[in-house]
Amino acid sequence: GAGVSQSPRYKVAKRGQDVALRCDPISGHVSLFWYQQALGQGPEFLTYFQNEAQLDKSGLPSDRFFAERPEGSVSTLKIQRTQQEDSAVYLCASRPVGGGTQYFGPGTRLTVL
Amino acid sequence: AQSVTQLGSHVSVSEGALVLLRCNYSSSVPPYLFWYVQYPNQGLQLLLKYTTGATLVKGINGFEAEFKKSETSFHLTKPSAHMSDAAEYFCAVSDPSGGSQGNLIFGKGTKLSVKP
Repeated sequence: GAGVSQSPRYKVAKRGQDVALRCDPISGHVSLFWYQQALGQGPEFLTYFQNEAQLDKSGLPSDRFFAERPEGSVSTLKIQRTQQEDSAVYLCASRPVGGGTQYFGPGTRLTVL
Repeated sequence: AQSVTQLGSHVSVSEGALVLLRCNYSSSVPPYLFWYVQYPNQGLQLLLKYTTGATLVKGINGFEAEFKKSETSFHLTKPSAHMSDAAEYFCAVSDPSGGSQGNLIFGKGTKLSVKP
């Protein structure tokens, strides 16, 4: 594709609801990253995939957060029993084989009421 | 552990004036350094990056940055600001030796305003 896409762009959830955020990386990109950007802050690393393997999930803030990339392309970040502190922009980035630049999607703005 | 400090959460300049956004990093190994720009409701766009080689790096839209190891700095400059430069700017560092990962560590960002 032309770039990284994310859906939905905006999501409002009631506290306690489950949400699923989707990331479509650039075609052929091996690496995929999820970041969380709280209001007024820089993005913070959540998790990393190489193809379908989740190699690092050290940034996930709690066991309510779960990410998958079953076929090594599209990835989904799931948040269970959302809390107000989960309100943030969730950014996805992909990177080609061999490393180099990470290309970011537009993000999903999650608001938990 | 790596970290990034961006001095000044808000910077305001007049159109045509010099833009200087400051970034200092902490890293136990020679890092890779990046500047990203974020326009409202958009994702991050890479302005420039330093990996190895020449310490003065030129990027898009007339921006450049200089890696100064002795000062652990990677300040972003542009000789003449345009109204279209108004955005938020993020400095980031990654560890090139961190396996295959290389996830980015970001500063808190600097919001640039450009006055007519």
